[in-house]
Amino acid sequence: GENVEQHPSTLSVQEGDSAVIKCTYSDSASNYFPWYKQELGKRPQLIIDIRSNVGEKKDQRIAVTLNKTAKHFSLHITETQPEDSAVYFCAASTTGNTGKLIFGQGTTLQVKP
Amino acid sequence: GAVVSQHPSWVICKSGTSVKIECRSLDFQATTMFWYRQFPKQSLMLMATSNEGSKATYEQGVEKDKFLINHASLTLSTLTVTSAHPEDSSFYICSARPTNNQPQHFGDGTRLSIL
Repeated sequence: GENVEQHPSTLSVQEGDSAVIKCTYSDSASNYFPWYKQELGKRPQLIIDIRSNVGEKKDQRIAVTLNKTAKHFSLHITETQPEDSAVYFCAASTTGNTGKLIFGQGTTLQVKP
Repeated sequence: GAVVSQHPSWVICKSGTSVKIECRSLDFQATTMFWYRQFPKQSLMLMATSNEGSKATYEQGVEKDKFLINHASLTLSTLTVTSAHPEDSSFYICSARPTNNQPQHFGDGTRLSIL
């Protein structure tokens, strides 16, 4: 089955700097890759997603890139703010945005003011 | 829109008790709901996929007789942890997939503590 590896496990940046989180997946049939932000004790919130027919997607300060050949995708956050501090999870699905998600291990992002 | 309500949000009970957790889609219909478990500082692990009107599909290693799932309507799925033990203590989160093929929406989770 699908396996998703996420790095780094923790990331600390200064406010205003950029943050990059990387994920690799094992199943070449995966075609949907969402990113979630989870604050302590709360639900995961979808922040951006990308499908396998697209190489890059951007939404304001957040962007995701996908390299299907290498089977990895990355989350880029620019101009980080303290409110970006949270745990970020990548995920992959072989059945589009309607199927089951396999999550990465998570990255705890700390943005220092 | 697309609100998923999970109840209860927090439960503490004695070892051996069975606990039922409800997951409701409030403003949309969901043919499929997913149940995840999250231990402290760990990722979300899919436990099972629940389809309305049929048996749930469990992930490898998840005991179907211990984690009973019922999806009786398009807006409600329940997870019952039977004869719960301290090792079952975790954060249980459901998600619901709308019938219009939009991404799944997560509930607020249930923190289960077994004494």
